[in-house]
Amino acid sequence: DVKVTQSSRYLVKRTGEKVFLECVQDMDHENMFWYRQDPGLGLRLIYFSYDVKMKEKGDIPEGYSVSREKKERFSLILESASTNQTSMYLCASSTNYEQYFGPGTRLTVT
Amino acid sequence: DQQVKQNSPSLSVQEGRISILNCDYTNSMFDYFLWYKKYPAEGPTFLISISSIKDKNEDGRFTVFLNKSAKHLSLHIVPSQPGDSAVYFCAACTHTGNQFYFGTGTSLTVIP
Repeated sequence: DVKVTQSSRYLVKRTGEKVFLECVQDMDHENMFWYRQDPGLGLRLIYFSYDVKMKEKGDIPEGYSVSREKKERFSLILESASTNQTSMYLCASSTNYEQYFGPGTRLTVT
Repeated sequence: DQQVKQNSPSLSVQEGRISILNCDYTNSMFDYFLWYKKYPAEGPTFLISISSIKDKNEDGRFTVFLNKSAKHLSLHIVPSQPGDSAVYFCAACTHTGNQFYFGTGTSLTVIP
C-alpha cells in the first residue's frame, strides 16, 4: 500500500512566520507534488519535482519554495506566511499516471 | 485558464439511483484521465482512470466514459450509496505523466 504522510494535519501560524510543510512517501516514487485546495478552485499545483534536487513551478508558485534533498521527502516552504495562504495543502507522489495523496495539512495564517 | 472543468459544483441523488458526474477538458494532448474521491479533512483517493485510447472503463459500480471528439468524460455510479457522498475531482495528464490538471470538483450527496 502506498503511503504518503504529511508532518501536520492542522497548523496555525502568524503572518510573517516561515512555515515548513513536510511530505514523505514510502514507495520510491520519482514524482512528488504540492497542491493547495480552496473552495470553488479545486486543486491548484504549486510545485512539483521529478527527481532529487529537481523542481518545477506549477500554476501558483508565488510565495512558495520547495526542497527535495532525498527521493522520499518533498518540503514546501512559505518564506513569509500571509493570510491569503490559509488553505488546505496536499502532497502527492506518483510513478506513472496515478497520484497518491497524503491526508493534507490545514494551514491557518492569522 | 482552466484546462479541466467541472461545471456542476454539486449534485444530489437518491440512494439506489445513478449518479452522473461530468467533466470537460480543452487540451487535446491529454493522454490519461482520472477520477478522485475526497472526503472532508482527508486527501483525495484514486477511484478510476481511463486512457485516451479507450472510451469506457468499468470497475464495479463505477464506470468512466470518454468522448474524445467532444473532449468530455463522465463518471457513472450505479447504484449510488450514501457512502459515495464526497467531492469528486476529475483530472487529466499528458503522456509524460508528471503534471496533472484538476477540475474544481463536484460535491455529491446521496440521500438515503
